[in-house]
Amino acid sequence: AQSVTQPDIHITVSEGASLELRCNYSYGATPYLFWYVQSPGQGLQLLLKYFSGDTLVQGIKGFEAEFKRSQSSFNLRKPSVHWSDAAEYFCAVGTNTGFQKLVFGTGTRLLVSP
Amino acid sequence: DAGVTQSPTHLIKTRGQQVTLRCSPKSGHDTVSWYQQALGQGPQFIFQYYEEEERQRGNFPDRFSGHQFPNYSSELNVNALLLGDSALYLCASSLRGQGAAGYTFGSGTRLTVV
Repeated sequence: AQSVTQPDIHITVSEGASLELRCNYSYGATPYLFWYVQSPGQGLQLLLKYFSGDTLVQGIKGFEAEFKRSQSSFNLRKPSVHWSDAAEYFCAVGTNTGFQKLVFGTGTRLLVSP
Repeated sequence: DAGVTQSPTHLIKTRGQQVTLRCSPKSGHDTVSWYQQALGQGPQFIFQYYEEEERQRGNFPDRFSGHQFPNYSSELNVNALLLGDSALYLCASSLRGQGAAGYTFGSGTRLTVV
């Protein structure tokens, strides 16, 4: 069965510093991978997704993620964090059963210090 | 263009009661998926409706049931509420052919069971 691990529950980054959020997945075939962001009391907003092709994916709000098959990873990065980036970030993998549902990790809460 | 609308935003119920949550999909979408997000966890897939039928189901008991109407809106019903049912319930709509890649999430309904 598919699974996603986000090893960091909380991360604190200074404003302007770079950010990397880790995501490891378990899936037998080529995965469909996603990163979502959730602000307090809000739903999920898609940051970026990977299906195939170029392993470096660009998303919204200056985020990017790199798919590394050898490491079963899909880490999210941003070169310079803004205070408004403080939120919960979820990595997810799409299933191959008609590709109709997502399996999410437990999330990483990003705190941004001044 | 309205996105996904969920109602109510918040509600409080007593153990043993029944609850109905509602979701109006994004215009043009024909598929509705429901997710449960417990505190501190990632969303978990409950089930999906397409053409007024349940198409896929996650690992949730029969107390969780749903319905989809001809206008593609959907309801999630939970019977015999338990304290553990307290969570944020998210609705995601999509176009069948796009699968989870085309998800648009609502802001959710926060259910508290006391």
